[in-house]
Order: sequence, then structure tokens, then C-alpha cells
Amino acid sequence: KAGVTQTPRYLIKTRGQQVTLSCSPISGHRSVSWYQQTPGQGLQFLFEYFSETQRNKGNFPGRFSGRQFSNSRSEMNVSTLELGDSALYLCASKAEPHGANVLTFGAGSRLTVL
Amino acid sequence: AQTVTQSQPEMSVQEAETVTLSCTYDTSESDYYLFWYKQPPSRQMILVIRQEAYKQQNATENRFSVNFQKAAKSFSLKISDSQLGDAAMYFCAYRSRSGGGADGLTFGKGTHLIIQP
Repeated sequence: KAGVTQTPRYLIKTRGQQVTLSCSPISGHRSVSWYQQTPGQGLQFLFEYFSETQRNKGNFPGRFSGRQFSNSRSEMNVSTLELGDSALYLCASKAEPHGANVLTFGAGSRLTVL
Repeated sequence: AQTVTQSQPEMSVQEAETVTLSCTYDTSESDYYLFWYKQPPSRQMILVIRQEAYKQQNATENRFSVNFQKAAKSFSLKISDSQLGDAAMYFCAYRSRSGGGADGLTFGKGTHLIIQP
């Protein structure tokens, strides 16, 4: 079974640009969540999707958005990039959106904003 | 809001010895899940062990075990017979059982574990 696949693995953007990151969950997993990892703030929850619906969102500005497609693949978008958006963005999937279920993480997308 | 605290930014242990990583959390809820995740230098987060708060028995996975003290809100990870491959960042995480688990994981800042050969 293939794991959680995130693309691209690395990218460099400049301030003011926007970026779209993609996540393909494990086959059969219908819940996808996103996390931001920075040295200063650590790991922070961005949002979770299930059946193409956003179930919850962390404390991030509206510049951060996401969506989920019918095949459970998910994308997240960050508009008007700021230097502080430089981070490792982790996607995780699980079979169903229940707290007991374990998240399986992807390798992440490393975003650098110049 | 829940918080998770890992008070040891870095720990070092000799290969084959035992090490314990500390984690405390703050919550007003009674039903939740606790996790330890490992993030090696390759960056892929891997689940080490999971504990359900309503279970009194401490979880164990091979060389990894936890000491779950619900009243003290403490959830430490013990690694026995440490191996070089155990070197990584270890994150303690909390997830509420209510709300269908939609709140996401709350992570601690992590403990960098160094294994000395």
C-alpha cells in the first residue's frame, strides 16, 4: 500500500506569491489533515477534510485554505505569501475521521519564502 | 484549549540503555487520546505508540512503553535497549475524543533524542 504522497517536496516562492500543495492519502483513507511545522511554533494544526468538507480549521488567517476532491486527494493553498509562511507542511490521512484512528503522515512539502 | 509540554528539548542516551522522555498536558476533558510520534532526520512522522485515556493499562509496543498518569496529566515514553535507529525528534500529542476527532492533534515542542554508540 502506497503511503501518503505530498508534492512538491521542495519549493521556493517570493513574498506576495501564492502556492498550492498537494496531498494524496493512503488508498481507502477518506480523512486528510494538514499541519504546519516551523522551528518557532512547532507543529500546528491547519485543517481537516472528510468527504470533501472541511471539518475544522486551526488558528490560521484566511490566506490559508484547502479543499478535498472526490477521490480524497487534498490541496492546500496559501495566498499572498509572507516570510513567516516558510515551513514544512505535513499532510496526514486516516481511514475515518474518528479520534481513535491513527494519522499516517507524508514526508512533507518544504516551502521557503524569500 | 489543550496544551502539551515537553520539558526536555534534548536527551542523550548510550546505545542499549533505557531512556525516558517526559510529557505533560493540560485539558479539562476526561476522554482523549495521547500519542508519541517520532520524526527522524528524513522528516516523515511515524507513530510510536498510542494511549486511550479511558484505559488504565499502559500501552506497550515492543521496546517502547508509556507511563500514563491521568490524574497528574503525565504521559512519558520509555525506550528500552536504545538503538541507533531510535535517534530522532519525539513529539507527544493530544487529541480530544469529542467532536469526532475534528480538532486535530495538539503537539508538544518535541524532544531531540541522541543515541551515543
